[in-house]
Amino acid sequence: AQSVAQPEDQVNVAEGNPLTVKCTYSVSGNPYLFWYVQYPNRGLQFLLKYITGDNLVKGSYGFEAEFNKSQTSFHLKKPSALVSDSALYFCAVTGGGNKLTFGTGTQLKVEL
Amino acid sequence: DAGITQSPRHKVTETGTPVTLRCHQTENHRYMYWYRQDPGHGLRLIHYSYGVKDTDKGEVSDGYSVSRSKTEDFLLTLESATSSQTSVYFCATEMTGEGDYGYTFGSGTRLTVV
Repeated sequence: AQSVAQPEDQVNVAEGNPLTVKCTYSVSGNPYLFWYVQYPNRGLQFLLKYITGDNLVKGSYGFEAEFNKSQTSFHLKKPSALVSDSALYFCAVTGGGNKLTFGTGTQLKVEL
Repeated sequence: DAGITQSPRHKVTETGTPVTLRCHQTENHRYMYWYRQDPGHGLRLIHYSYGVKDTDKGEVSDGYSVSRSKTEDFLLTLESATSSQTSVYFCATEMTGEGDYGYTFGSGTRLTVV
């Protein structure tokens, strides 16, 4: 069975500071990894994905994520946070040919 | 959310009544999914479809049924609504079924069962 863990329910960051939202996964075979963002009263929006290749993946709105196979992690990062980044972030994984399994979400709060 | 429309956006219904939620896509994607989102649980898969009239159960399918008579429409029915089914329901579509393209989500339906 595949699974995703997002160990932090909430992450607080000051605007301008770097942010990290953590994600670890468990899957058979090679993982396909995704980050989605959800703004209030909206559906999930795709941010970025890792399928194969370079371990550092760049996505929308200045976000990036680093795939670490030995630590089975796929942490989401941004060098300089904005208040507008405040939202709910979901990590998801599949082993390929399977449905996506989502984490429980991390609420990011960026304060002035 | 472009290309996927969920209706209604909000609904309040009474316990014991049947409820149908609709997902309409213009993406021509073969695969469609229904999830529910609850605090502390993230997104949990209810049912999914891999083609017209081809559906299967997800991890939380009890009390729900689905139908897909056309590529573009995927209906979720709560046969006899209960308060535990109060949730936000999301429809998603996928092009390949291999997971490599990820999903596209609708804007959700907030359902309250009183």
